Amino acid sequence: EPEVTQTPSHQVTQMGQEVILRCVPISNHLYFYWYRQILGQKVEFLVSFYNNEISEKSEIFDDQFSVERPDGSNFTLKIRSTKLEDSAMYFCASPTSGSSYNEQFFGPGTRLTVL
Amino acid sequence: AQSVTQPDIHITVSEGASLELRCNYSYGATPYLFWYVQSPGQGLQLLLKYFSGDTLVQGIKGFEAEFKRSQSSFNLRKPSVHWSDAAEYFCAVGAPTSYGKLTFGQGTILTVHP
Repeated sequence: EPEVTQTPSHQVTQMGQEVILRCVPISNHLYFYWYRQILGQKVEFLVSFYNNEISEKSEIFDDQFSVERPDGSNFTLKIRSTKLEDSAMYFCASPTSGSSYNEQFFGPGTRLTVL
Repeated sequence: AQSVTQPDIHITVSEGASLELRCNYSYGATPYLFWYVQSPGQGLQLLLKYFSGDTLVQGIKGFEAEFKRSQSSFNLRKPSVHWSDAAEYFCAVGAPTSYGKLTFGQGTILTVHP
């Protein structure tokens, strides 16, 4: 199975601090996605990113969130001023090369803990 | 907007028994449908998908799912469960008109007794 990698695996931060979560998606695809999963809850869509622009975002993805593709391989999710309720598992997803953008492969996730 | 319902929060089966996990979706047309599996502390692994065509789809690890348009369902089945199948299973729907956004159900936790 194609591999999506994410770093760090676990991030602990203080409320109000900025965090940057990193993802290396499957190469040669222009679509990237971020999802989150609060402990014990379902996986929720945050944002889709196509060709260096946001193509769709959810209500969760407010002004505190941003996504970037700083270079050809990395893809980041930044939370500017973290809140307690941002504690969750954050997943990056990517389609494989040549597949429908709906067929997404997920990374192992970053567990964010906000204290 | 699309939505997904997984009516069973927790299912327990004995090893070797058959399994069916239920999934119902709401969408105005035929959506793209997926089942993912998540082991504790792990990411989501794609089990199988339905885009079009044959309504019975085969996936990895011996799983299959059947799309029933009349019932707006996409139930996951396995004829004989193994202890290693214990995990949480998520049904997801994607709208062909969106940019790949997936909407997930609440998940079903599967426990397998020896």
